[in-house]
Amino acid sequence: GAVVSQHPSWVICKSGTSVKIECRSLDFQATTMFWYRQFPKQSLMLMATSNEGSKATYEQGVEKDKFLINHASLTLSTLTVTSAHPEDSSFYICSARGPVISEYNEQFFGPGTRLTVL
Amino acid sequence: AQKVTQAQTEISVVEKEDVTLDCVYETRDTTYYLFWYKQPPSGELVFLIRRNSFDEQNEISGRYSWNFQKSTSSFNFTITASQVVDSAVYFCALSEFGSGNTGKLIFGQGTTLQVKP
Repeated sequence: GAVVSQHPSWVICKSGTSVKIECRSLDFQATTMFWYRQFPKQSLMLMATSNEGSKATYEQGVEKDKFLINHASLTLSTLTVTSAHPEDSSFYICSARGPVISEYNEQFFGPGTRLTVL
Repeated sequence: AQKVTQAQTEISVVEKEDVTLDCVYETRDTTYYLFWYKQPPSGELVFLIRRNSFDEQNEISGRYSWNFQKSTSSFNFTITASQVVDSAVYFCALSEFGSGNTGKLIFGQGTTLQVKP
């Protein structure tokens, strides 16, 4: 159980276009989802936290108008990179967490989406 | 502020050698969790261990062992008798669980482990 999927697994787009990445919790209800970005040979950096039905909370330095996050249901969150530029090329990873039911609320990671902007 | 430091950027060992990956963390919270993840070339994070701040017992799982020392704010990871399949990037991470905290993870810079045959 506790499987998180991402789609697409990789995408190549032209500069100036928008790209949508989906993150789905397949067998549990994800009240909270996290979006991370990882540049080559670097660590994962949290971009934003989204709670179902409410606006996402963005980390400092992350442009909320450029990285649109929608967490419209308990199993789906989307990240849209608007007007993508080559510097947005990165590995985007989502994670999902269910309702708090125990001392520790596990976070499950998706397989990641590799975005290349030409 | 929270911070996780993995001072070793890259480590190269020969198969069957033991290797220790260091992790030092900073937090002002008394309740927190520490993690280790493995990221193979495919990119997908593989969860290895979670430890809460009140449990300083060391843990062993097969060839893997973890040494948690609150006195030095360290959570080191040792692989015994390393294998080529252990080659990956390893991340240490911290999550605070104070009131109102979302449980977000703060990752260290990662240590790239290369195990040569």
